[in-house]
Amino acid sequence: GAVVSQHPSRVICKSGTSVKIECRSLDFQATTMFWYRQFPKQSLMLMATSNEGSKATYEQGVEKDKFLINHASLTLSTLTVTSAHPEDSSFYICSATDLFSTAYEQYFGPGTRLTVT
Amino acid sequence: AQSVAQPEDQVNVAEGNPLTVKCTYSVSGNPYLFWYVQYPNRGLQFLLKYITGDNLVKGSYGFEAEFNKSQTSFHLKKPSALVSDSALYFCAATFEGGGNKLTFGTGTQLKVEL
Repeated sequence: GAVVSQHPSRVICKSGTSVKIECRSLDFQATTMFWYRQFPKQSLMLMATSNEGSKATYEQGVEKDKFLINHASLTLSTLTVTSAHPEDSSFYICSATDLFSTAYEQYFGPGTRLTVT
Repeated sequence: AQSVAQPEDQVNVAEGNPLTVKCTYSVSGNPYLFWYVQYPNRGLQFLLKYITGDNLVKGSYGFEAEFNKSQTSFHLKKPSALVSDSALYFCAATFEGGGNKLTFGTGTQLKVEL
């Protein structure tokens, strides 16, 4: 149980284009989903927290107009990187918490490798 | 503010030997502590957690961790390391009443050699 999927696993896009990454909780309802960014050999940097049906809360320094997050249902959140640039190339990971769990545990997706050329 | 420290960037251990990956934390109130493992180009996999109860927590793949309140530590241990344990390990924390936003340590690369 508690499986989170991400799609796509890898994406290459040209500078100036937008790319959408999907995060789905497959067998549970996710109260909250988190989006992280990870640089090589570094820790996870929390970008934003999204709750179903409400606007995402962005961490300081994260451009909300560049990284659009939508959490339209209890099983799906999307991250859209708009007007991508090479510096946006990174590993993006989502996680979700179970609506019916009180244990604060986050379940992580497998990640999406974004390369902007 | 919450913080999690993993003082070692890398830990090397021979297969069959015990391993320890260190973690210390600073949170407001009662801590909720987690260990995750990450293999290359993959997301994080949950290993174990401490919420309340026994200070020694047993988790997946033979790992365990000991919660030490006085030392504010939550070190990850395994009695006998395997080469397949080689990966990046993250300690994370939140606290009771603090919501479910985790603070992560910087990660420790574990290398188990034959």
